[in-house]
Amino acid sequence: IAGITQAPTSQILAAGRRMTLRCTQDMRHNAMYWYRQDLGLGLRLIHYSNTAGTTGKGEVPDGYSVSRANTDDFPLTLASAVPSQTSVYFCASSLTSGDYNEQFFGPGTRLTVL
Amino acid sequence: QKEVEQNSGPLSVPEGAIASLNCTYSDRVSQSFFWYRQYSGKSPELIMSIYSNGDKEDGRFTAQLNKASQYVSLLIRDSQPSDSATYLCAVAPGYSSASKIIFGSGTRLSIRP
Repeated sequence: IAGITQAPTSQILAAGRRMTLRCTQDMRHNAMYWYRQDLGLGLRLIHYSNTAGTTGKGEVPDGYSVSRANTDDFPLTLASAVPSQTSVYFCASSLTSGDYNEQFFGPGTRLTVL
Repeated sequence: QKEVEQNSGPLSVPEGAIASLNCTYSDRVSQSFFWYRQYSGKSPELIMSIYSNGDKEDGRFTAQLNKASQYVSLLIRDSQPSDSATYLCAVAPGYSSASKIIFGSGTRLSIRP
């Protein structure tokens, strides 16, 4: 693995189903982030984790949950998917969560909720 | 509401010319500024970061920061068709260990042959 990987690449999901988007990084970065990107709205932060064992809410956390059991993995779960969660989801990481936190992005997951 | 504003474009620039992308931000205490390039269907890629007033050059790219006027710009010299992409400006508040980057909506740049 080099950098950040996300799985699946794309998914079509029925409304009401549970879905977990996976994110793994091998850069030993402390901080990780989940964003959604929608046309005209740019990147919006869903949840973040400053370090393993801690998580926080971003701008649009409702309907999503995260966990950070270790440094490398940061899964995002949709407990009961709704059509408004159709989006492209990007996982990102940075060495630290403070100033100068250059973030590096995974390739993204395109999710469609029908 | 802290904001980062960019002209959505599209900005059309002839090949070989200088492309100038601008970004303004509302939070005066912002400390870190980033430019990301995003090709259609791909993820954002960090191309420049700048933390001090003035210019920072990296190859054909120059980032300019003016904290007093609260703007940051990106110049691309000798524009190439491969520079056609959406450019995202990002600003980090810089006042706590949990500072979070705020992204602009991006400017779509098109380099015409």
